[in-house]
Amino acid sequence: EDQVTQSPEALRLQEGESSSLNCSYTVSGLRGLFWYRQDPGKGPEFLFTLYSAGEEKEKERLKATLTKKESFLHITAPKPEDSATYLCAVLATNAGKSTFGDGTTLTVKP
Amino acid sequence: KAGVTQTPRYLIKTRGQQVTLSCSPISGHRSVSWYQQTPGQGLQFLFEYFSETQRNKGNFPGRFSGRQFSNSRSEMNVSTLELGDSALYLCASSLSPGTGSYEQYFGPGTRLTVT
Repeated sequence: EDQVTQSPEALRLQEGESSSLNCSYTVSGLRGLFWYRQDPGKGPEFLFTLYSAGEEKEKERLKATLTKKESFLHITAPKPEDSATYLCAVLATNAGKSTFGDGTTLTVKP
Repeated sequence: KAGVTQTPRYLIKTRGQQVTLSCSPISGHRSVSWYQQTPGQGLQFLFEYFSETQRNKGNFPGRFSGRQFSNSRSEMNVSTLELGDSALYLCASSLSPGTGSYEQYFGPGTRLTVT
């Protein structure tokens, strides 16, 4: 069974304090790993897709990386508007649906 | 390009009633998935439709059903509502399977409260 574990559950940062969110996964074969951002009361917003180990993608202050067992979402010099829940999901090669982690809730204080 | 739309946005129902939620995917997207999100269970997959056919189904009772129309719009129905069905129901659209693009684009959700 595909599994996704995100850590930490919650992260509080000061504005400008860089950090990383972790997504550990177990799948028989990876078709894709996805990162989403979700603001309270809204639907998740797609951020990145990673397909193979060693791949990296960047968008503004966010950078996602992928190994064979985990993915990191690095946040550089975060701002209060980066506060949200970040969700990780995996799609296995033999699966027809993505499996989501429980998310990391990030709070950035000014 | 317009995003995924869901109606209604908020709904209050009584136990035992039934409810129908609607989803319009992004233009050109033909795959639609439905999720239930609750604070305790996170995002739980309900089902996926493509080309008017259910391709995948999650572990939910038969009270939860769905369908997709020829224009890719989708509806989900919950019959005999229970208090535990209170949740945010999310619809997500994506391009057709086999295109190599699997990311999903979510709608704003329908907040269902069962009293």
